[in-house]
Amino acid sequence: DTAVSQTPKYLVTQMGNDKSIKCEQNLGHDTMYWYKQDSKKFLKIMFSYNNKELIINETVPNRFSPKSPDKAHLNLHINSLELGDSAVYFCASSQQVTGELFFGEGSRLTVL
Amino acid sequence: RKEVEQDPGPFNVPEGATVAFNCTYSNSASQSFFWYRQDCRKEPKLLMSVYSSGNEDGRFTAQLNRASQYISLLIRDSKLSDSATYLCVVRTNTGNQFYFGTGTSLTVIP
Repeated sequence: DTAVSQTPKYLVTQMGNDKSIKCEQNLGHDTMYWYKQDSKKFLKIMFSYNNKELIINETVPNRFSPKSPDKAHLNLHINSLELGDSAVYFCASSQQVTGELFFGEGSRLTVL
Repeated sequence: RKEVEQDPGPFNVPEGATVAFNCTYSNSASQSFFWYRQDCRKEPKLLMSVYSSGNEDGRFTAQLNRASQYISLLIRDSKLSDSATYLCVVRTNTGNQFYFGTGTSLTVIP
């Protein structure tokens, strides 16, 4: 069984389009995250939700909007895509207080 | 100053060699420490947690020095399959936030 699953795995789109990436975890964790890994391979936190509530919102353009309908899901919607948004986006989850991060397989976004 | 600093490498070592990676963190209130492994075009995966007393898992040994805010990973008898990027990760005790180092690239050469 996949612990953290995200879709789609690959996304190729034109500048200016809007796209969404979905994430689901079946680990029963209460905290979910979105990370961005760019071409320099640095993993940077974007957002974190705990029990559907936003707890971390790093300096991310307003074009990025996370949504957590329940604690097992955290989706990421991106408006007006730009070339610089090209990266791999990783969803992750953890149990608050204890435990490590579990990552999804990543969604590779290419903006043309 | 970055929350977590590590030498990006690359480290190119022959099979059978012993290699050590180091990492420092800036927040003295950090609570949990981990080493993750990331293969090319894959997601990061937990290699091992790091405990104050030090811990070992087969060929891998992790150490934590809270006074110096320093974490290390030792790999003995390197295998070709150890080639990957090793990420130092620190978790704070507030905000449930994980901070990643830039990763250290390891290539084990036949």
